[in-house]
Amino acid sequence: GENVEQHPSTLSVQEGDSAVIKCTYSDSASNYFPWYKQELGKRPQLIIDIRSNVGEKKDQRIAVTLNKTAKHFSLHITETQPEDSAVYFCAAPLLSGGYNKLIFGAGTRLAVHP
Amino acid sequence: NAGVTQTPKFRILKIGQSMTLQCTQDMNHNYMYWYRQDPGMGLKLIYYSVGAGITDKGEVPNGYNVSRSTTEDFPLRLELAAPSQTSVYFCASSQINTEAFFGQGTRLTVV
Repeated sequence: GENVEQHPSTLSVQEGDSAVIKCTYSDSASNYFPWYKQELGKRPQLIIDIRSNVGEKKDQRIAVTLNKTAKHFSLHITETQPEDSAVYFCAAPLLSGGYNKLIFGAGTRLAVHP
Repeated sequence: NAGVTQTPKFRILKIGQSMTLQCTQDMNHNYMYWYRQDPGMGLKLIYYSVGAGITDKGEVPNGYNVSRSTTEDFPLRLELAAPSQTSVYFCASSQINTEAFFGQGTRLTVV
């Protein structure tokens, strides 16, 4: 079926360690892959995105990699800090009736311990 | 630029009542979405729209209706509210395959 699967559901790391969150998608036509961060009680906000014509994109401590053949993409956070603690969501546009509907993964709750 | 504005922020409904959640965006985005987020859970797509007059069902459309008469507005209608519709509702807008901007959310409780 049409879905976006995200793992792990929870992730606990020590400050300074790296964190990796993985997502798979079902629609081979998907060509845009955003990652959102949601702090407690707040709205989701985009932190990084990647399009299907590149394999990797980096922005300071965060990076996203894409493997179109395997239909999966990953978020990498290096040198984690306590303020990185939040819920992270991946998303992908799934084609439906000629239009793209943006479907989110189930989320990963990241806890960074000082 | 106000972005995406949702009203109300909070609402308590009794079982069987109906209400409309309002959503307006001023970014001239074609795509608009309604998601619900249950406590500790992810974002589930209820309905979406790709332009005025065009709407389609998402993952969890039952119990809801939408309309899109203008580019700016995308109201979500709840008929016959049920406790299972207790959730936080987010409206979002975007252009195709670009950043989606979210409203601040509406916390709805059905008792």
